[in-house]
Amino acid sequence: EAGVTQFPSHSVIEKGQTVTLRCDPISGHDNLYWYRRVMGKEIKFLLHFVKESKQDESGMPNNRFLAERTGGTYSTLKVQPAELEDSGVYFCASSPLQGGPYEQYFGPGTRLTVT
Amino acid sequence: GNSVTQMEGPVTLSEEAFLTINCTYTATGYPSLFWYVQYPGEGLQLLLKATKADDKGSNKGFEATYRKETTSFHLEKGSVQVSDSAVYFCALNVRSQGNLIFGKGTKLSVKP
Repeated sequence: EAGVTQFPSHSVIEKGQTVTLRCDPISGHDNLYWYRRVMGKEIKFLLHFVKESKQDESGMPNNRFLAERTGGTYSTLKVQPAELEDSGVYFCASSPLQGGPYEQYFGPGTRLTVT
Repeated sequence: GNSVTQMEGPVTLSEEAFLTINCTYTATGYPSLFWYVQYPGEGLQLLLKATKADDKGSNKGFEATYRKETTSFHLEKGSVQVSDSAVYFCALNVRSQGNLIFGKGTKLSVKP
């Protein structure tokens, strides 16, 4: 069974540019989460999808961040325009919907560097 | 609010040494507790978990006991190996389908 995949693995962009990160969850997992780790700090929650609906987006830092999950499969996280403080590693995780607490399965992360 | 505090690293040990990584938490309600591990170049993997007070999670020789009275979930291993070198994250969630709240992570290096 394929795990959670993320693309790209690394992205280096200039301040003011736009970047789109993609996450493909484990097939059949209706829960999808985005997290971010800024250098040396804790991993912080950004938002949670249940299928295609945003269940909780309380962790989104500001309106420069837009997450979508059309069709309830893969998800994208767009940062527009990027700022220096957006640099960090962005993790995606997925889990089944029924029951719990289920393990959240994490992808390898996308390392974003804004220069 | 809900939070996790874990010991600062990095931690450097010799092979076969005893490992303890402290983790304490603050939470409303009855959280589930987790230890995740990130090996170099890989994503986070669940190492172990405990869902109620006095539960002991264990995996790959690692153990942690959910202590409600001290709000702690310390990670221990009796004899570490070089292959245990990684970053370890303590985490909690207060709703079974909810987001995880992480500590800052502790980097462990084990020398031969």
